[in-house]
Amino acid sequence: AVQMTQSPSSLSASVGDRVTITCRASQGIRYDLGWYQQKPGKAPKLLIYAVSSLQRGVPSRFSGSGSGTDFSLTIKSVQPEDSATYYCLQDHNYPPTFGLGTKLEIK
Amino acid sequence: EVQLVESGGALVQPGGSLRLSCVASGFTFSSEWMNWVRQVPGEGLEWVAYIKQDGSEQYYVDSAKGRFSISRDNAKNSLVLQMNSLRVEDTAIYYCASGLQPVWGWGQGTLVTVSS
Repeated sequence: AVQMTQSPSSLSASVGDRVTITCRASQGIRYDLGWYQQKPGKAPKLLIYAVSSLQRGVPSRFSGSGSGTDFSLTIKSVQPEDSATYYCLQDHNYPPTFGLGTKLEIK
Repeated sequence: EVQLVESGGALVQPGGSLRLSCVASGFTFSSEWMNWVRQVPGEGLEWVAYIKQDGSEQYYVDSAKGRFSISRDNAKNSLVLQMNSLRVEDTAIYYCASGLQPVWGWGQGTLVTVSS
């Protein structure tokens, strides 16, 4: 199975900060990489798909980049409502695998 | 509006069985791969199984092979996960999720607790 190494596991940011979360795949996954936001007690929500495509309705401060095995999610100006846990997911290879998550705290 | 509504979660003893259901609306169910994803409360996400649009192919995480069965009824916009020989480590919130490349829609989840 493709292992997704996500970092950091947690971070703390102030409103307006730029935040970057990374995922490294153990093998190439082409462009089949998505990013999800999960708030406590809620289901995950798709933010970014195909590495860099913004899901409809998601604020433009979220962006994704990368290729091959290295990918990142950037929030260019963090807002209080961005407090959540973020996961990457590769569904290029069976079985689909998630990163372990990054918990974002807003100071 | 896209909706995925799971049901069937419960407290069950180890070795028991449970059938989870998901009813979909707001999109063309028969056009989408469908998934079950689980999450131990407070921990990360784990994909469990997926099924092709016409039901002809199913895939499972290794820990579910031989115990879980995913199926669908496109006429009823419904997805099912039959879980047998349940183990304590199957305790989790189970989410029904739509799509593949990407997985784009999620239900609210149903809690399965396996305990004696």
